[in-house]
Amino acid sequence: AQSVTQPDIHITVSEGASLELRCNYSYGATPYLFWYVQSPGQGLQLLLKYFSGDTLVQGIKGFEAEFKRSQSSFNLRKPSVHWSDAAEYFCAVIQGGKLIFGQGTELSVKP
Amino acid sequence: DTGVSQNPRHKITKRGQNVTFRCDPISEHNRLYWYRQTLGQGPEFLTYFQNEAQLEKSRLLSDRFSAERPKGSFSTLEIQRTEQGDSAMYLCASSPGTSGGAYQETQYFGPGTRLLVL
Repeated sequence: AQSVTQPDIHITVSEGASLELRCNYSYGATPYLFWYVQSPGQGLQLLLKYFSGDTLVQGIKGFEAEFKRSQSSFNLRKPSVHWSDAAEYFCAVIQGGKLIFGQGTELSVKP
Repeated sequence: DTGVSQNPRHKITKRGQNVTFRCDPISEHNRLYWYRQTLGQGPEFLTYFQNEAQLEKSRLLSDRFSAERPKGSFSTLEIQRTEQGDSAMYLCASSPGTSGGAYQETQYFGPGTRLLVL
């Protein structure tokens, strides 16, 4: 069965610093991959997605992610973090039409 | 496009009571999904509909859970005889979903219904 692993449960970065959140997937074919963000008590907002083509995908709020088949990874990056980016981030893969999520990475931002 | 809406946003109930949640998907989206999220975890799939047909149910969906989408528009999720273990955030999502591909498969989530069973 497909699975998604987010190795970092919690990350703290300083405002203005760069960010990379890790995501590894287990999937036999070319995966459909997503990153979602969730603020406390809220639903999930789609940041970006990868289906095929260019392996570097751009999303909303200045986020980007790079698909690396050789490493089975789809890491999320942002060059300069803002305090408003503090939230929980979920990586997910489509399996049979439904999303399989990782455990999530909670991001804290220091002033 | 008003997005996916869910009601109520919060529900507190006593163990043994029945509860019902409603989800209104993005208009013209054919697929509707229900997920459950417990504290500190990622959402887990419960069930999904293609129009009014319920196509798949997770093993997480015990006999006490039932979901409907009677006219292929809004959906309801009912939990009978609630247990404390049912306390969670229940998330609804929708997608265009008439065939495969990036646009059709992308799911958009509502704000969720947080259930607390005392």
